[in-house]
Amino acid sequence: GQQLNQSPQSMFIQEGEDVSMNCTSSSIFNTWLWYKQEPGEGPVLLIALYKAGELTSNGRLTAQFGITRKDSFLNISASIPSDVGIYFCAGRRDSNSGGSNYKLTFGKGTLLTVNP
Amino acid sequence: DAGVTQSPTHLIKTRGQQVTLRCSPKSGHDTVSWYQQALGQGPQFIFQYYEEEERQRGNFPDRFSGHQFPNYSSELNVNALLLGDSALYLCASSSEKVRTGREKLFFGSGTQLSVL
Repeated sequence: GQQLNQSPQSMFIQEGEDVSMNCTSSSIFNTWLWYKQEPGEGPVLLIALYKAGELTSNGRLTAQFGITRKDSFLNISASIPSDVGIYFCAGRRDSNSGGSNYKLTFGKGTLLTVNP
Repeated sequence: DAGVTQSPTHLIKTRGQQVTLRCSPKSGHDTVSWYQQALGQGPQFIFQYYEEEERQRGNFPDRFSGHQFPNYSSELNVNALLLGDSALYLCASSSEKVRTGREKLFFGSGTQLSVL
């Protein structure tokens, strides 16, 4: 199945550093989402973006919905050890049937390791 | 308030067997989606159930089937298991009661299926 192009695949950083990761697609999405997954757990929603150009923050996390609607990025400022995990981007298109669209298309993830 | 619960947490089967995975949605949610996450990949959408009917389906063969019960819980069935079906199966719930197009998916911790 289709997956989004997410980069980098992995990052190893020192505590306190800022982190940036991005996601691109060959087609348009109406919603961009960023999730974090820790070992043995399911993905947890961090940020949701609904409009092209939208910039949204959640604590130390900031994400933007690209103007072309084909890309998004996530920044983490002043990283801490508990930021460790796999970060996934996901795109969603509007439903054609009037209901909601529950099909998310995910990237392969960015594995973040933070060295204390 | 219980989140999304899935059972069992781990399962080992052999090729050709059949398996049933179970999911209870978050309290107040009426919609259940199932995703397959292979090792090192992002989750892939299998299908979504609402009002006891399959509403959307991803690119998965008919060996994958599901069911939703009146209490909104759901089962995922996989017949004639293949080695390639080994993956983490995630259930996500949401509420279709208020259709804003911004419904958020809450994921369970998943069932790790190993096919030998």
